[in-house]
Amino acid sequence: GAVVSQHPSWVICKSGTSVKIECRSLDFQATTMFWYRQFPKQSLMLMATSNEGSKATYEQGVEKDKFLINHASLTLSTLTVTSAHPEDSSFYICSAITGGQGANEQFFGPGTRLTVL
Amino acid sequence: LAKTTQPISMDSYEGQEVNITCSHNNIATNDYITWYQQFPSQGPRFIIQGYKTKVTNEVASLFIPADRKSSTLSLPRVSLSDTAVYYCLVGDSHGNNRLAFGKGNQVVVIP
Repeated sequence: GAVVSQHPSWVICKSGTSVKIECRSLDFQATTMFWYRQFPKQSLMLMATSNEGSKATYEQGVEKDKFLINHASLTLSTLTVTSAHPEDSSFYICSAITGGQGANEQFFGPGTRLTVL
Repeated sequence: LAKTTQPISMDSYEGQEVNITCSHNNIATNDYITWYQQFPSQGPRFIIQGYKTKVTNEVASLFIPADRKSSTLSLPRVSLSDTAVYYCLVGDSHGNNRLAFGKGNQVVVIP
């Protein structure tokens, strides 16, 4: 099956710094990637939809200037958490789809655990 | 985004068949029903997807009634490693494919 990777798998940073998380589709081209956030014991919350070569579409309540998304190629999307604060500590998960007609399965990455001190 | 409702949790003994229900009363004509499994600190893993009637693959079966307002995921002969959170989602395959995760169903398999 299709594989999506994320890097890093975990990161610890100081408050006020920026952190970049990469999401890669390893064996397919992803026209669309999604970014989710998951707090402990809670469900995944969709943050934004990322399309290659265009600006990301953010869900209501998600600050686009704080969570910068760049989908530079058909295999790579990055999420940068700018000026991170402890409340941004969470599990960030990306997913990717191949696009086209039909029932598009989302392939999820393994997630990135962000801890802001 | 169409909303789904699932029981919060359920327990099952090892070796039994587990049936997990999901309600999606506002499902749209173009929406497919997809089930994912998630282990702690891992990304969700695709289990099965269907539009209507019954779908079966090597790990599960999905039953969808004619009105499509609900669905049931059936896991045959569960093992301890099937302990996980199971999410039911509906999404538009011809739209932007955005998915809204509900709270999911925590399934605990007991020895």
